[in-house]
This record gives sequence, structure tokens and C-alpha cells, in this order.
Amino acid sequence: GAVVSQHPSWVICKSGTSVKIECRSLDFQATTMFWYRQFPKQSLMLMATSNEGSKATYEQGVEKDKFLINHASLTLSTLTVTSAHPEDSSFYICSATGLAGVGSYEQYFGPGTRLTVT
Amino acid sequence: GENVEQHPSTLSVQEGDSAVIKCTYSDSASNYFPWYKQELGKRPQLIIDIRSNVGEKKDQRIAVTLNKTAKHFSLHITETQPEDSAVYFCAASRGAGSYQLTFGKGTKLSVIP
Repeated sequence: GAVVSQHPSWVICKSGTSVKIECRSLDFQATTMFWYRQFPKQSLMLMATSNEGSKATYEQGVEKDKFLINHASLTLSTLTVTSAHPEDSSFYICSATGLAGVGSYEQYFGPGTRLTVT
Repeated sequence: GENVEQHPSTLSVQEGDSAVIKCTYSDSASNYFPWYKQELGKRPQLIIDIRSNVGEKKDQRIAVTLNKTAKHFSLHITETQPEDSAVYFCAASRGAGSYQLTFGKGTKLSVIP
């Protein structure tokens, strides 16, 4: 149990275009989903926290108009990188929590999406 | 906000030896401390976690200790094997009851056969 998937696993796009990344919890209902960004050889940096049916909470310094997050159901959250630029190239990872209900802190991570903007 | 420091950044050990990675956190209200293992290009995987009401937790070759007074926690891997080679991240919850995590910068562990 506790499987989180992400799609696509990698994507190459041209500068100025938008890219949508999907994160799904396959066998449990995720009360909360998180989006992280990871540059090569660096740690995971939390970008935003989203709860189903609510607006996402963005970390300081993360542009909410550039990184659009939609958490439309308990099993699906999407991250759209709008007007992507080469500096947005990174590894984007989602995680989900809620398997054991309220009070369960464990986060289950998706496999990540490698975005390259040319 | 929460700040998590992790040391060392790299660690090389001989197969069979023990490895210890240490983290400190700044928010005394943090109450959940997981450790993740990440292999190159793959997702982080939870290997062990501890809550603030417990001082030590063990799972086979892996153990975590927590010192709330000093605000530090450590990962101990015994009888290391080559497949333990990876990057390990510690994390701390942002205050009590928060599901959000702040991660340390990671430790690259290399186990030499």
C-alpha cells in the first residue's frame, strides 16, 4: 500500500511554454499533498502544501502565479509550471500523507518528474 | 522557521562497519523526525522515523536516537552493506502537529566493499 505516482517522469519543453505534472495517490486518500523541488546534489525544498478542495499554501519565495497547484480530489494534485524558463529546470517530487488518517505524519513520495526547459 | 543541520555531508565506511549521521533542529515544538534514503534519480524512501515522546527506535540494522533537550537526533546503521550506499536525509516537522517537513542537506554514504 501507500503508492504515489507521478506523470510524466520526465519532460522537455521550450522556454515560455507551460507544463503540467500530475501526482496521484493510488491506493489511499491523501488528505494533504506536498510539492518539492530538488536541484542536483541538493536537498528537497518544499514549494507548497495543498489540501483537497483548498487553495495551496506556498513557501516564501515561491511564485504562486508561476507554479499553479490544483488539488481537486483526495487522490490527485497537479502542478503547472507556467511560462517555464531554463532556471525552472529541476526535479519535481510530490508526496502525500493521510494513509493512517489524521495524525499520521508519514509522507509517501512519488518517483519525481525531471523537467528540462530549453 | 525550522532549520535542520545535517552532518557529515559525505561519509565513507568499510563494509561491515557502522555509520552515524547527525542532525540538529531549531524548533523545540517539532515532534516528528523521519529519515529518508534516496538513490540517484529515485524517490526518497522512509527508512525509519521517531516521535518526540520516544528516545530511541530500532529496526534491524537501523536505529534512530533523539535528544529533545539538545534538539538533535542521529541515524545509526550497523553492519553496513554496499546497498546502503545512497544519500540520506533527515527531516523535522515544523512544530507540533504540522505535516510539513524541513529537510537537512543530506549525507552521501558510500560503503566500500
